[in-house]
Amino acid sequence: AQTVTQSQPEMSVQEAETVTLSCTYDTSESDYYLFWYKQPPSRQMILVIRQEAYKQQNATENRFSVNFQKAAKSFSLKISDSQLGDAAMYFCAYSRETSGSRLTFGEGTQLTVNP
Amino acid sequence: DVKVTQSSRYLVKRTGEKVFLECVQDMDHENMFWYRQDPGLGLRLIYFSYDVKMKEKGDIPEGYSVSREKKERFSLILESASTNQTSMYLCASGLRGTNEKLFFGSGTQLSVL
Repeated sequence: AQTVTQSQPEMSVQEAETVTLSCTYDTSESDYYLFWYKQPPSRQMILVIRQEAYKQQNATENRFSVNFQKAAKSFSLKISDSQLGDAAMYFCAYSRETSGSRLTFGEGTQLTVNP
Repeated sequence: DVKVTQSSRYLVKRTGEKVFLECVQDMDHENMFWYRQDPGLGLRLIYFSYDVKMKEKGDIPEGYSVSREKKERFSLILESASTNQTSMYLCASGLRGTNEKLFFGSGTQLSVL
């Protein structure tokens, strides 16, 4: 079975600084998808970024980028120029290529942004 | 704007009660999912459905059942609520055969007393 591990229950960052959230996963599949979702206090889950395992290039979305290390099964999220609105719970998630969007989630990392 | 609507934001029930959590999506998605979210455990999949009248067990189906009579509606049923089912329940939907993003509802915080 696939597992996703986020070893940092809580992280904090100063406004305008950069922070990296860690995620590791375990799978025997060669094709899969990885995601970072954000859950603010409103509880609405929002997709931050998505990475296809067959793509070597790391995904980026504005201030958000990932460091995808397939051999190491590592998928970290870097948030640059952190803003107060980035404060949220962040979840790393995995999906097998054939699963039709069924996701396996990590435990979550609570990010605090200090002004 | 696309929408996944969960019928209740907060719910308080008694032990032994039958509980229905409703989820409706307006995006004509084939796939629908029920997750529960607990601190330190993340989101865990309870049940999912890839089509009307179809259901599949997720990772923690014990104590739950589901119903999908219409494409847009996916209901989670707690046949006899127990205190260990106190949790946040999240519904999600997505397109069939893709690994594009899921769309989530805002969650139902269920307390079983």
